[in-house]
Amino acid sequence: AQSVAQPEDQVNVAEGNPLTVKCTYSVSGNPYLFWYVQYPNRGLQFLLKYITGDNLVKGSYGFEAEFNKSQTSFHLKKPSALVSDSALYFCAVREEGGATNKLIFGTGTLLAVQP
Amino acid sequence: DGGITQSPKYLFRKEGQNVTLSCEQNLNHDAMYWYRQDPGQGLRLIYYSQIVNDFQKGDIAEGYSVSREKKESFPLTVTSAQKNPTAFYLCASSIASGDEQYFGPGTRLTVT
Repeated sequence: AQSVAQPEDQVNVAEGNPLTVKCTYSVSGNPYLFWYVQYPNRGLQFLLKYITGDNLVKGSYGFEAEFNKSQTSFHLKKPSALVSDSALYFCAVREEGGATNKLIFGTGTLLAVQP
Repeated sequence: DGGITQSPKYLFRKEGQNVTLSCEQNLNHDAMYWYRQDPGQGLRLIYYSQIVNDFQKGDIAEGYSVSREKKESFPLTVTSAQKNPTAFYLCASSIASGDEQYFGPGTRLTVT
């Protein structure tokens, strides 16, 4: 069965420093991977996705994610954090050609950027 | 949030009453989804629909019902059989099942 894990409930970083939000996945075939961001009392916003091709994927608001097949990871990164990046971040996965085509979401990581 | 609307934003009901949450999209997406979000548990899939007049149970469908009579609309009814209905409910849609999903602003339901 496919699954996704976000090992950190919260990540704290100072403004201007680089940030990383971790995600690992488990699928039996090729993964489709997604990152979303949620601001308080709002719906989720799509940030970026990996389907195939270049392992470094660029997305919205200066975020990027690196796909690592050997480590089954898809960590979200940004070179310089902003206070406005503070939000809840979700990783999601689905399996290419899977029977249900459902996205499986992680439990979320709260990013807190201190000024 | 653009293209998907959920109403109302806040909803209050007495225990034992059924309540219907609205979800409408103008993105011409085939697939639509309902999730429940509770603190510390991420998103849990309630129901999803890959095409009009068809829908499937998700991971926590008990106590909920849906319909998909129109492509644009996917209302969710929270019935009195749902033991813990107080939660934040999110609707989403995608071009096709398995593609990236686009979310509405959510409805916060409180049942007392």
